[in-house]
Amino acid sequence: AQSVTQPDIHITVSEGASLELRCNYSYGATPYLFWYVQSPGQGLQLLLKYFSGDTLVQGIKGFEAEFKRSQSSFNLRKPSVHWSDAAEYFCAVQNTGGFKTIFGAGTRLFVKA
Amino acid sequence: EAQVTQNPRYLITVTGKKLTVTCSQNMNHEYMSWYRQDPGLGLRQIYYSMNVEVTDKGDVPEGYKVSRKEKRNFPLILESPSPNQTSLYFCASSLSAFGSEQYFGPGTRLTVT
Repeated sequence: AQSVTQPDIHITVSEGASLELRCNYSYGATPYLFWYVQSPGQGLQLLLKYFSGDTLVQGIKGFEAEFKRSQSSFNLRKPSVHWSDAAEYFCAVQNTGGFKTIFGAGTRLFVKA
Repeated sequence: EAQVTQNPRYLITVTGKKLTVTCSQNMNHEYMSWYRQDPGLGLRQIYYSMNVEVTDKGDVPEGYKVSRKEKRNFPLILESPSPNQTSLYFCASSLSAFGSEQYFGPGTRLTVT
């Protein structure tokens, strides 16, 4: 069955520290891959997406993600976290053979001063 | 301003009382979708629509209906709500079904007693 796994329910990092949020997917072929962010009480906003080409993708707010086919992973990174990055982050996939979008369960990021 | 609007934002109702949550987008998007968000489960797709009069089930369609009579509107109907449909609901739209950023509405928090 197609699935998206975000192994970390929540992560706490210090302001200024680096961040990596993990995402693993299970699909037969390379799907479209997305990272969205949800600030408290808000809808979701796209950070970045990937389908083909350079496996390192740059997004908004200083985020980047790396696609690794061999590991079926699409991890999100940021070199230096700001307090305003505290939010919930969702990895999502779209299978090119269908029209559905599958989201992971999310990772809540806490930033400490 | 480009946006997805949902109404109502908050709703408390009783078991069995039919309700409709409206969704409208002003971006001329072809693809629209409904999700429910529950703690620990992320977003799960209820229904989606590729265009006017074209809809299909997502992963959790039981107990819900949708219609797409106009391109801009995609209402979600609960004909006989039950307590297990208490959730946070998001409508989203995108230019196309594949690889496009989804724009999310602000959410509708539904409580069924």
